[in-house]
Amino acid sequence: GAVVSQHPSWVICKSGTSVKIECRSLDFQATTMFWYRQFPKQSLMLMATSNEGSKATYEQGVEKDKFLINHASLTLSTLTVTSAHPEDSSFYICSAAPGQLYSGANVLTFGAGSRLTVL
Amino acid sequence: LAKTTQPISMDSYEGQEVNITCSHNNIATNDYITWYQQFPSQGPRFIIQGYKTKVTNEVASLFIPADRKSSTLSLPRVSLSDTAVYYCLASRGNQGGKLIFGQGTELSVKP
Repeated sequence: GAVVSQHPSWVICKSGTSVKIECRSLDFQATTMFWYRQFPKQSLMLMATSNEGSKATYEQGVEKDKFLINHASLTLSTLTVTSAHPEDSSFYICSAAPGQLYSGANVLTFGAGSRLTVL
Repeated sequence: LAKTTQPISMDSYEGQEVNITCSHNNIATNDYITWYQQFPSQGPRFIIQGYKTKVTNEVASLFIPADRKSSTLSLPRVSLSDTAVYYCLASRGNQGGKLIFGQGTELSVKP
């Protein structure tokens, strides 16, 4: 089945540094990938839509200069948290739709998530 | 995208059937209902999807009445490993569209 690999699974960094998270579709091509963040005991919040070969589309309230998204190929999207601060500590999850698996609506395959802790 | 409403939490015991109902009063004609399961510190996992009536797969059943304003996810004979958060989403029939998650239902299965 469709697999989305996310790396690293967890990362700890100092305040002010930048952290890059990779999201790869292993057995399918994804022109579109989605990035979510999730705080403890809360639901997933969509941050942005990553489009291969073009700029990402950010949801309202998400700082595009803070969360840089690059979708350079059909199998790789990256999220860079720039100048990270403790309030950026969260669980970041990427996802992609592997195509028309069903006759219905889009079904997303999610990565395992990346736990970011900023000290 | 239609807003969905689910109970925040549910408790059950091993071996019982669990039914989680989701309300989506403003569902559009071309919306499908999809359920995902999420364990702590993991990404969500697809469970089941349907448009109307009943859909069944190896892990769950999905019941959707004729008016499609609600749906019920049925988990037969739950085990401790079914303890997770379950999300109901109503999404359009267009591949690649974004999904907006509601609050989900935290299911706790007790021995």
